[in-house]
Amino acid sequence: NAGVMQNPRHLVRRRGQEARLRCSPMKGHSHVYWYRQLPEEGLKFMVYLQKENIIDESGMPKERFSAEFPKEGPSILRIQQVVRGDSAAYFCASSPFGLDQETQYFGPGTRLLVL
Amino acid sequence: AQSVAQPEDQVNVAEGNPLTVKCTYSVSGNPYLFWYVQYPNRGLQFLLKYITGDNLVKGSYGFEAEFNKSQTSFHLKKPSALVSDSALYFCAVRDIGGATNKLIFGTGTLLAVQP
Repeated sequence: NAGVMQNPRHLVRRRGQEARLRCSPMKGHSHVYWYRQLPEEGLKFMVYLQKENIIDESGMPKERFSAEFPKEGPSILRIQQVVRGDSAAYFCASSPFGLDQETQYFGPGTRLLVL
Repeated sequence: AQSVAQPEDQVNVAEGNPLTVKCTYSVSGNPYLFWYVQYPNRGLQFLLKYITGDNLVKGSYGFEAEFNKSQTSFHLKKPSALVSDSALYFCAVRDIGGATNKLIFGTGTLLAVQP
């Protein structure tokens, strides 16, 4: 059973470009979470999605950031017009519905560097 | 508001000695508590969780944690440390304030096990 998959693992963008981060949850998991880890800090919640629905986006910056989890395909975290302050590690996690739903399983992360 | 504190930035221990990584929490109701470990440039690996029941929780790699409601603590322990245990450890609490499973993380504790 493959774990949570994220790609790319590393992404370099220049200021003003767009960044697209992808996350495929574990098989059978219907809940996806995105977290951001800034250098020397812990993880901060960004958004919680279920298929085709955003459940909680209280941690998402109001501008330039968006997320989706379509019926088919991976979840996407999109950052428009990136700035240097967006440089961070972005982690996706997934959890099942029902038994063990409290536990979130994390992917390896995407490390975004904005030049 | 829910929060979790890890009072030590770093814990140093000699191989073979017992280790403790401290965590205290603040929630309005009953907490769900988690420990994760992060190796360099990797994602978070789930170690163990407390939901309900026995206050002593056993997890992966010989780790265990004790839930103490009166002290609002959830310290991570291991009877005999290994050099390979050296990593960054995060305590997390689930936010039960709404219809979301989002995790609130501590700032992390770096565990260094000397041979």
